[in-house]
This record gives sequence, structure tokens and C-alpha cells, in this order.
Amino acid sequence: AQSVTQLGSHVSVSEGALVLLRCNYSSSVPPYLFWYVQYPNQGLQLLLKYTSAATLVKGINGFEAEFKKSETSFHLTKPSAHMSDAAEYFCAVYNAGNMLTFGGGTRLMVKP
Amino acid sequence: NAGVTQTPKFQVLKTGQSMTLQCAQDMNHEYMSWYRQDPGMGLRLIHYSVGAGITDQGEVPNGYNVSRSTTEDFPLRLLSAAPSQTSVYFCASSYGGEGAQYFGPGTRLLVL
Repeated sequence: AQSVTQLGSHVSVSEGALVLLRCNYSSSVPPYLFWYVQYPNQGLQLLLKYTSAATLVKGINGFEAEFKKSETSFHLTKPSAHMSDAAEYFCAVYNAGNMLTFGGGTRLMVKP
Repeated sequence: NAGVTQTPKFQVLKTGQSMTLQCAQDMNHEYMSWYRQDPGMGLRLIHYSVGAGITDQGEVPNGYNVSRSTTEDFPLRLLSAAPSQTSVYFCASSYGGEGAQYFGPGTRLLVL
């Protein structure tokens, strides 16, 4: 089964700084990849989805992710962090017949 | 649309008790799934369904039962609760297996 690994369980940035959350996948075929965000005491909300149509995927709230096959990566970025971006972010891969497999999550903290 | 709804929001059980976590969606999605979320482990798939009358096991199915008698509902049953089942449970639905999943707000379960 395909899996994803998120590097860094906690990431701290200053407000206005670049946000970079790392995700690497293991797959021998082009995968479907997702980024979800979870705000405190809430369910998960889809940020963006990669389906091989374009390597650079734009999502909600100014986030985007780039699929790099050579690096087996799907890192999430945002040019300028906002206090409201503080949340936990999950990378996930679709496994046929077995739904989504999630990474361990990265908690983003934004300092004023 | 209410989207995906879950009840109860919070539950305390004693070891050995049984209960059913309810999940309903009003988006006419064929696919529904149950995940549990534990710190540092992301979300892990418990059971899923690709349509009414069809269910299958996920990564961590032991101790849980499901059934899918209608498209809208997908209850999760704990037959004999154990402390290891203390977790946050999320229900999700999607048009297809590779489609974006919509999550409910979650149920926090504490087993004493």
C-alpha cells in the first residue's frame, strides 16, 4: 500500500514568513495526493488535491503544493503566514480499495 | 446541506460497555469511512463502505463493527469497549474512493 511521511511534527514560523510543510510519498505509480487542515476541535477540511492534471496545485486560503516525481514529494507552501493558519496539517494518499492513508500530521504554529 | 453529521460529540464509557457512533451524510455519496485519530499517528482507517450493503475492513478494524443499510447512514459499533479505543473518531464521505473526502466534526470517546 502507498504511504506518506510528513517531516516535522511541529513547525513554527513568524507571521508573514514563508510556510513550508513537507510530505513525501511512496508509490510506484502516479498517486492521488491530498492536503487537509484541521483546526482545533474540528474535523478535517480539504486544502487541495493532486490528480496528475498539473504539478502545481493551488488550494484554499493561499496554499499550494507542488508534485515532484523525481523527489517523491508533495510539499505544501504559503508565501506569507497568517495567524489564522495555525492548525494541524495532514498529507494523505489514496490507496485503491482502502481509502486514504494519512501522514502523522504537522502542527503549524504562527508567532506574532 | 448539513454535510456529514456525527453523534454524539463526546462519550464516556466503562470498559466492556457497548455503544454505537452515528454518522449520516446528505450529499448522496457512495463512499463512507470511519477513521480514528490518535496523537502523532494521523488518522487510521477502521472500516469503509463503497455503497449500501457493502463494507470492508481498513487498517485497524478489530473491536469495531459496521453496517450500511442506506446510502445516508454508516454507524460504527463498539461491541465491548476497551481503554485502547479511547480516541477521536471521524466519519467521512466521498463520491468515489479517489475523490475528496468530507469529514464530520468528530466524536471524542473516553473509555475508563
